[in-house]
Amino acid sequence: SQQGEEDPQALSIQEGENATMNCSYKTSINNLQWYRQNSGRGLVHLILIRSNEREKHSGRLRVTLDTSKKSSSLLITASRAADTASYFCATASTGFQKLVFGTGTRLLVSP
Amino acid sequence: GAVVSQHPSRVICKSGTSVKIECRSLDFQATTMFWYRQFPKQSLMLMATSNEGSKATYEQGVEKDKFLINHASLTLSTLTVTSAHPEDSSFYICSARRGGNEAFFGQGTRLTVV
Repeated sequence: SQQGEEDPQALSIQEGENATMNCSYKTSINNLQWYRQNSGRGLVHLILIRSNEREKHSGRLRVTLDTSKKSSSLLITASRAADTASYFCATASTGFQKLVFGTGTRLLVSP
Repeated sequence: GAVVSQHPSRVICKSGTSVKIECRSLDFQATTMFWYRQFPKQSLMLMATSNEGSKATYEQGVEKDKFLINHASLTLSTLTVTSAHPEDSSFYICSARRGGNEAFFGQGTRLTVV
């Protein structure tokens, strides 16, 4: 399977703490994206990082990419209860349009 | 952001019947749409890539005669689960690309086959 791996599978933290999720993938990529999914719902795009970028920020989100290690991390700072959701990384390979999703991290932020 | 609408959100059907799920891009034209399947607490698995005006490209292991995909217009793709069985019960999600790298997802369809 080309599917990426994410860790941890589940993460439980308190409001105000930071949450870090990691993603590893197997093939060369054009870009890597992070998505959020609330239970039983569709996915919402959070951030995209290109293969020639190493770090990107968007609000409370910080994404890093290490193509030599084929890995990425998503940091959510000052977490809120509303951040409770599943987070998936997804990779797009050069020349292909389809996204290959990681296994996901279930984040629980307690008030 | 762009809007992708998926209908129905939930459907319950009897074994042996067929179910059609629609995916519409409401405010943009999507030459390519994607269909995913998701089991509880698991990731999304790509089933097929739907191209407007041509046959869909199915991923390995996905039965094309079981999961019929039609992309008749630039704003509509349909997935029909034929002769549904309980093991087909799952969460099906479509997505569409507007032209850039970002994909926009529908709300998903919870299919229960009884």
